[in-house]
Amino acid sequence: GNSVTQMEGPVTLSEEAFLTINCTYTATGYPSLFWYVQYPGEGLQLLLKATKADDKGSNKGFEATYRKETTSFHLEKGSVQVSDSAVYFCALGGAQKLVFGQGTRLTINP
Amino acid sequence: DTAVSQTPKYLVTQMGNDKSIKCEQNLGHDTMYWYKQDSKKFLKIMFSYNNKELIINETVPNRFSPKSPDKAHLNLHINSLELGDSAVYFCASSQEGQGRGEQYFGPGTRLTVT
Repeated sequence: GNSVTQMEGPVTLSEEAFLTINCTYTATGYPSLFWYVQYPGEGLQLLLKATKADDKGSNKGFEATYRKETTSFHLEKGSVQVSDSAVYFCALGGAQKLVFGQGTRLTINP
Repeated sequence: DTAVSQTPKYLVTQMGNDKSIKCEQNLGHDTMYWYKQDSKKFLKIMFSYNNKELIINETVPNRFSPKSPDKAHLNLHINSLELGDSAVYFCASSQEGQGRGEQYFGPGTRLTVT
């Protein structure tokens, strides 16, 4: 079945550092790929998505490219801020449901 | 206006009790979901409904019974609560029902079973 493997956390960075959170997937068919973010005490919010190979999703300075050849959807941001501290989830959509990675807790120190 | 709302936000109860969590969405979406998030933050789908019809039941114990009175509401009733049911339960909705579109999540209900 479909599955998502995400870089284990926690990840701690200083403000303005470069961020990469790795995500790889296993899927049949042509799924959509998502990054969701969960701030403390809140539900998940969509951060970005890509629906087909070579698509790049971007939002709030974050980017991820749907790479079919490496089955990956790594999340990147050039310069993180303290307000980016949250838990990030990679997810695969298809077969009528979302399958999530295990989540990566990101902490940004000033 | 909150797009996806859940009540209650916190629920503390004893083993063996029966409890319900309610979810409402005002987005006009056709598909609604229940997810369970465990203490390690792992999220797993439990159920999905499309226009009041059960689509996915992800091998959840039959102590859990979802009910969708209309397409804007999806409630979750849990019988004979167990310690292992302690988790955060999220409701979500989407316009597209194949899993390929954005899902909108509620704020979660933190259930603690003592």
